[in-house]
Amino acid sequence: QSVLTQPPSVSGAPGQRVSISCSGSSSNIGAGYDVHWYQHLPGTAPKLLIYFNNNRPSGVPDRFSGSKSGTSASLVITGLQAEDEADYYCQSYDLSLTSVVFGGGTKLTVL
Amino acid sequence: QVHLVESGGGVVQPGRSLRLSCAASGFTFNTYAIHWVRQAPGKGLEWVAVISSDGTNKYYGDSVKGRFTISRDNSKNTLFLQMNSLRGEDTAVYYCARGGRSVLLWIDGLDVWGQGTTVTVSS
Repeated sequence: QSVLTQPPSVSGAPGQRVSISCSGSSSNIGAGYDVHWYQHLPGTAPKLLIYFNNNRPSGVPDRFSGSKSGTSASLVITGLQAEDEADYYCQSYDLSLTSVVFGGGTKLTVL
Repeated sequence: QVHLVESGGGVVQPGRSLRLSCAASGFTFNTYAIHWVRQAPGKGLEWVAVISSDGTNKYYGDSVKGRFTISRDNSKNTLFLQMNSLRGEDTAVYYCARGGRSVLLWIDGLDVWGQGTTVTVSS
């Protein structure tokens, strides 16, 4: 059971907008620790998508955006494309566990 | 080009040991913290351990604490994970990933990942 809770799955049609939530607590996101997001296609290396809540590494399209508020964070993908179909993970730090923590992951299906 | 390449995975019996390696290239290895992250079959990503750029500070996830040891050889641009007392639940793809240059090892996102090496613990 992850301390960061993500929906197991989300879906959307090409061109649509989807949001993936990452719900934490006062010992991680709510304590002020930053959130990072990753895209992972099975059999490949995970890819850093968003760092420090809302920053995109070079090469990541601006269709991907992140935000953080209170004890939660969100990843928003606009203009969905077939190539966006992947697993998405949030990551932060938990003070109580003294550990880097990942969310359980969300599988995005492009209909 | 920045690369991380893991090796050393394989099939091992429960209770035995295995050492993974992660060879780095294309960046100044001795200035970055490096992490190990794993993914068990059908499961999500799980953080395993992190080591500071100079190797002096190391932190572990609860599930591997006391059994796994992370280390690095900066002269050879290589990271290691010594895994002892292996269990079935350690079966996973193990990734090494580059952290940041902060003294707070857990702060930065992991911006470079290897392709992973598979460890199977089975009798």
